[in-house]
Amino acid sequence: NAGVTQTPKFRVLKTGQSMTLLCAQDMNHEYMYWYRQDPGMGLRLIHYSVGEGTTAKGEVPDGYNVSRLKKQNFLLGLESAAPSQTSVYFCASSYRLGRGGYEQYFGPGTRLTVT
Amino acid sequence: GQQVMQIPQYQHVQEGEDFTTYCNSSTTLSNIQWYKQRPGGHPVFLIQLVKSGEVKKQKRLTFQFGEAKKNSSLHITATQTTDVGTYFCAGSARNGSARQLTFGSGTQLTVLP
Repeated sequence: NAGVTQTPKFRVLKTGQSMTLLCAQDMNHEYMYWYRQDPGMGLRLIHYSVGEGTTAKGEVPDGYNVSRLKKQNFLLGLESAAPSQTSVYFCASSYRLGRGGYEQYFGPGTRLTVT
Repeated sequence: GQQVMQIPQYQHVQEGEDFTTYCNSSTTLSNIQWYKQRPGGHPVFLIQLVKSGEVKKQKRLTFQFGEAKKNSSLHITATQTTDVGTYFCAGSARNGSARQLTFGSGTQLTVLP
């Protein structure tokens, strides 16, 4: 099993350009997430999905859109990139642990720079 | 909204010394998880704590969940260079969705040989 994969690994955009980040998981997990990681700020949730065809906003959703047309894929779109969106983006998927929690499996990350 | 604070932000130790990171939530948690991220890598799940006052051990790592379920700690005994990385706590709010985690800002551990 590949687990959680992300493409691309690196990308440089100019301000105003758009792009889509792709996340794929082969573990049949229902739940998927997009986070951004900035120095000193931990991981912040952008959007998440609890199943195919459903999405919801997280803590920092502005400037991003997502889609989950297939259970195994979760796409993150940047409509008009801004320098403030320079970050490392992680996708994760999860399944339910015993006793109520959900362990999250993370992809390798996409390093995005917006100039 | 829910906030999870983690201290210290950075910690440098000599190999063989102990290390502790602390996590405090602004709200009562239903469970807390710990993740480790190696430099240049992605977060990897270490453990989940659910019960008030729970203590779990993994070799040299000891995890505790506070009695009020609002704080947690990770203690590493006799650090090794393989312990280098950033340790994150992440909690689910008791009155929120168990599927969503709020991450602390992490403690970056450096182990000097």
